[in-house]
Amino acid sequence: SQQGEEDPQALSIQEGENATMNCSYKTSINNLQWYRQNSGRGLVHLILIRSNEREKHSGRLRVTLDTSKKSSSLLITASRAADTASYFCATDRSSNTGKLIFGQGTTLQVKP
Amino acid sequence: ETGVTQSPTHLIKTRGQQVTLRCSSQSGHNTVSWYQQALGQGPQFIFQYYREEENGRGNFPPRFSGLQFPNYSSELNVNALELDDSALYLCASSFEKGGAKTQYFGPGTRLLVL
Repeated sequence: SQQGEEDPQALSIQEGENATMNCSYKTSINNLQWYRQNSGRGLVHLILIRSNEREKHSGRLRVTLDTSKKSSSLLITASRAADTASYFCATDRSSNTGKLIFGQGTTLQVKP
Repeated sequence: ETGVTQSPTHLIKTRGQQVTLRCSSQSGHNTVSWYQQALGQGPQFIFQYYREEENGRGNFPPRFSGLQFPNYSSELNVNALELDDSALYLCASSFEKGGAKTQYFGPGTRLLVL
């Protein structure tokens, strides 16, 4: 079963706009990770945020984590056509085992 | 490129057959996890191997089994294939057992069961 849900399921924006994806989860976690997947291929790790962190940045990516609301958001600024992909959040629930529980994903389309 | 390789890339089997999928982990990584991703879904954790021992299992039946070898490469075996086993199978490697860690995923093996 999936740990959480991503919202929205699909998002379509114009190049240059910002894209925001949200993730909710159900149980306590040690860390939350965001991954990207192009056309059903392998997953690419984007960013990891620990449960005691509230915000993290990496290039055009900004991730927030609210453990009281059991939610996270991924913001991609100044989007590019190459950002078109599916984005997944994944939680590592206990002891940082690396046994990830994924959400259903958000499909992002960036139109040139 | 993560340095994690999987073989084969695609596979077609018939119901009831057995299949073996292979994964070579990134250099220096001693932990391998396997995931099943059905079409349109997020990956689901099958099991994890750490230093050749199973280190946790998801909600999958015993006909899903695995191995990890001394060089930390791994195999996923599925017996008595069912139509619902059709999916993308992903392996991911990471280093050490403790501490928050990044999973490095391979490109996956796409299995079709007819």
